[in-house]
Amino acid sequence: GAVVSQHPSRVICKSGTSVKIECRSLDFQATTMFWYRQFPKQSLMLMATSNEGSKATYEQGVEKDKFLINHASLTLSTLTVTSAHPEDSSFYICSVWGPEWYQETQYFGPGTRLLVL
Amino acid sequence: DAKTTQPPSMDCAEGRAANLPCNHSTISGNEYVYWYRQIHSQGPQYIIHGLKNNETNEMASLIITEDRKSSTLILPHATLRDTAVYYCIVRVAHMEYGNKLVFGAGTILRVKS
Repeated sequence: GAVVSQHPSRVICKSGTSVKIECRSLDFQATTMFWYRQFPKQSLMLMATSNEGSKATYEQGVEKDKFLINHASLTLSTLTVTSAHPEDSSFYICSVWGPEWYQETQYFGPGTRLLVL
Repeated sequence: DAKTTQPPSMDCAEGRAANLPCNHSTISGNEYVYWYRQIHSQGPQYIIHGLKNNETNEMASLIITEDRKSSTLILPHATLRDTAVYYCIVRVAHMEYGNKLVFGAGTILRVKS
């Protein structure tokens, strides 16, 4: 069964609005989660590392004020795309290592497709 | 960080073995080789990983050369559902925040009937 879920699976929004994407670890607690972005016909690009109870770590070139990450519990991380624009349209995917005591496999969510009009 | 090189695409006949190569000549002694695949519009799916010994599970086999500079993922009996992008990744260790996986371009495997 699914180890990681994401909600929503697909979202369409108007330019200038904010969109929140949820990532849930279903089978185990995750102090660390990862957020990726994937543009059409491209590979996954790591955006940030989400840390439970502390600030996220962003990859070079990713605007932390644009992509707000909140990891308020051991099973939930949220990514908020603020003031979304058409160039933010992409496939957003989260992942977790699991389980905590045996971090050898990273599990990915099904992804959230964002379309900004 | 060790980088990987994969062919951009490969074709395989249905029912035959698919052998996907990966070069990782700068791999460090404590870095694992991971394989994931991504079927269109889905999140990546874990396939297998290894350090230096060959590994096999219900999905595939992983053959790592003795010098660890390259590896091959083997799908023993490819089906149409195995058509996907296959990523070979060397695990990057980041002590403070957990290990990151950095994806390259991958190999598009097309299984044909």
